[in-house]
Amino acid sequence: DQQVKQNSPSLSVQEGRISILNCDYTNSMFDYFLWYKKYPAEGPTFLISISSIKDKNEDGRFTVFLNKSAKHLSLHIVPSQPGDSAVYFCAATGTASKLTFGTGTRLQVTL
Amino acid sequence: GAGVSQSPSNKVTEKGKDVELRCDPISGHTALYWYRQSLGQGLEFLIYFQGNSAPDKSGLPSDRFSAERTGGSVSTLTIQRTQQEDSAVYLCASSLTLDRVGEGYTFGSGTRLTVV
Repeated sequence: DQQVKQNSPSLSVQEGRISILNCDYTNSMFDYFLWYKKYPAEGPTFLISISSIKDKNEDGRFTVFLNKSAKHLSLHIVPSQPGDSAVYFCAATGTASKLTFGTGTRLQVTL
Repeated sequence: GAGVSQSPSNKVTEKGKDVELRCDPISGHTALYWYRQSLGQGLEFLIYFQGNSAPDKSGLPSDRFSAERTGGSVSTLTIQRTQQEDSAVYLCASSLTLDRVGEGYTFGSGTRLTVV
């Protein structure tokens, strides 16, 4: 039973445009959501998080939106840059000790 | 250290052999986590430590897997009698405390384990 789903395995976006990565979850007990970025042969790097009491959190070019009623969150990257090309993982937790990850979306930012 | 350090970075082992994977967390981080990523999959939780204690071992896939942490620092993940399905990237992460989940963990670069 996959509690966190990223249904798009890949996404290609032109440099300067907006990248939107989506994530759905099924467990209503999740109360914190995070996005990680991963380059090949490196560990995931934390990007941004959002608490379930909020519906939006911004950090520079990155904004995460949370729709609790739809059990859906998205990561917006504006403007997209070639260095953003990586695999993005959505993660969720209902306890501080364990993150449940999605399978990732590979973002390719083209020139 | 400046980051989470894992060794070895790559390990090829024969089926049936035991392997030990090591993790050096960021100095002062009390919480330590082990995950693994199999090919084409997301990260799968294995175990976490608060200090030297592992309150939740439910993520370990079988009794061939064990982990320990000593001195509130270095952790070792041991896989006995390795099987081909154990092939994966094993990732270690640490955080200052357990309750700062919103700040994310810091991951190491992982150990790529291949069982042949």
